[in-house]
Amino acid sequence: SQQGEEDPQALSIQEGENATMNCSYKTSINNLQWYRQNSGRGLVHLILIRSNEREKHSGRLRVTLDTSKKSSSLLITASRAADTASYFCATDTGNQFYFGTGTSLTVIP
Amino acid sequence: EPEVTQTPSHQVTQMGQEVILRCVPISNHLYFYWYRQILGQKVEFLVSFYNNEISEKSEIFDDQFSVERPDGSNFTLKIRSTKLEDSAMYFCASSEISLGRLDTQYFGPGTRLTVL
Repeated sequence: SQQGEEDPQALSIQEGENATMNCSYKTSINNLQWYRQNSGRGLVHLILIRSNEREKHSGRLRVTLDTSKKSSSLLITASRAADTASYFCATDTGNQFYFGTGTSLTVIP
Repeated sequence: EPEVTQTPSHQVTQMGQEVILRCVPISNHLYFYWYRQILGQKVEFLVSFYNNEISEKSEIFDDQFSVERPDGSNFTLKIRSTKLEDSAMYFCASSEISLGRLDTQYFGPGTRLTVL
């Protein structure tokens, strides 16, 4: 299956530290997106990186994509307590998305 | 900023009953999607919809499910004869096409379905 897998499954850091989450997938993609979900709430789109891009920035977020390794990473710099949430990668193979299992990030004030 | 809305936010139903979950996608978007997330599990794709027909569906989306765009704004997911295992959060999403490729999907806040 196309299922994405994030690692680590859970990450706990101190406020101000950087958080890095990784996503691996199995087949060719058009783009990869990262989403955030606060507990019990909807998904919020963070950033989209296309298959021909290698790196993208948005504020404190930095996403990389390595299509040869079929992997992506999300870096959150200077983390804040409000960044506490689950983070999902989603791979787009056409017009279907496959979500990973998510990384649960806890930022300790 | 435009957003996807969903109603109701929480639906409680008895096993065997039919439910209709409603979504209003962003107005200029052309692709619509339904996903579900069982508590504590990953988000799962159910179906995508374009030009008034299903474009893709997952193995989860069996004959129990149907989707419809009854008018120019609403997009609905109908679950017939609900089962206990249908209890989940259901998310609607929409996207537009830019440069011939699908763009970012925007998600609604979800409808929590509880089947008793």
